[in-house]
Amino acid sequence: EAGVAQSPRYKIIEKRQSVAFWCNPISGHATLYWYQQILGQGPKLLIQFQNNGVVDDSQLPKDRFSAERLKGVDSTLKIQPAKLEDSAVYLCASSRGLAGPTDTQYFGPGTRLTVL
Amino acid sequence: GEDVEQSLFLSVREGDSSVINCTYTDSSSTYLYWYKQEPGAGLQLLTYIFSNMDMKQDQRLTVLLNKKDKHLSLRIADTQTGDSAIYFCAEIYFRSSASKIIFGSGTRLSIRP
Repeated sequence: EAGVAQSPRYKIIEKRQSVAFWCNPISGHATLYWYQQILGQGPKLLIQFQNNGVVDDSQLPKDRFSAERLKGVDSTLKIQPAKLEDSAVYLCASSRGLAGPTDTQYFGPGTRLTVL
Repeated sequence: GEDVEQSLFLSVREGDSSVINCTYTDSSSTYLYWYKQEPGAGLQLLTYIFSNMDMKQDQRLTVLLNKKDKHLSLRIADTQTGDSAIYFCAEIYFRSSASKIIFGSGTRLSIRP
């Protein structure tokens, strides 16, 4: 079974520029998550999709961040405009979407964003 | 609010046991997880424990849960160089139809020869 794919792996931009990240979850996984992991911290959930609907986006800075999962498969996360404090690794994860906490999340390798 | 705390670093000698500790605050958590993150890789679920259990053993891994003190630990027996990584403690709880995971800051485990 192929894992969660993310691209690009690395991105360097200047502040106020825009950037987009792409995630392809494991085939058949209904739930998709985007996390932000700042250096030295644990991942923080930004947004969670169930198929193509948003389940939780309470920690997404909606003035600059947006995400979509139009066909319930791939997802993109966009930052516009970027700030220095957005420098982090952006992790995508997916799960089957089963009820209950044994619904294991599988993580991609992440995209490391550096904002100069 | 929800919070998960861990010590930042742990150094052990190869072959010794490693014990990584974690404290959490949300008493409504039903499961507690341990994840492993190797350099340049995503997080890998190592093991989890139900909140109504005290201990879970899985090969070299032993998880101990003290629910009264909200303290969780991960013991790695016979620590090997391949165990070098950052270990994250995480709690999961449910609100309405969504589950949410809160991660600690991670403990970096280094192995001395």
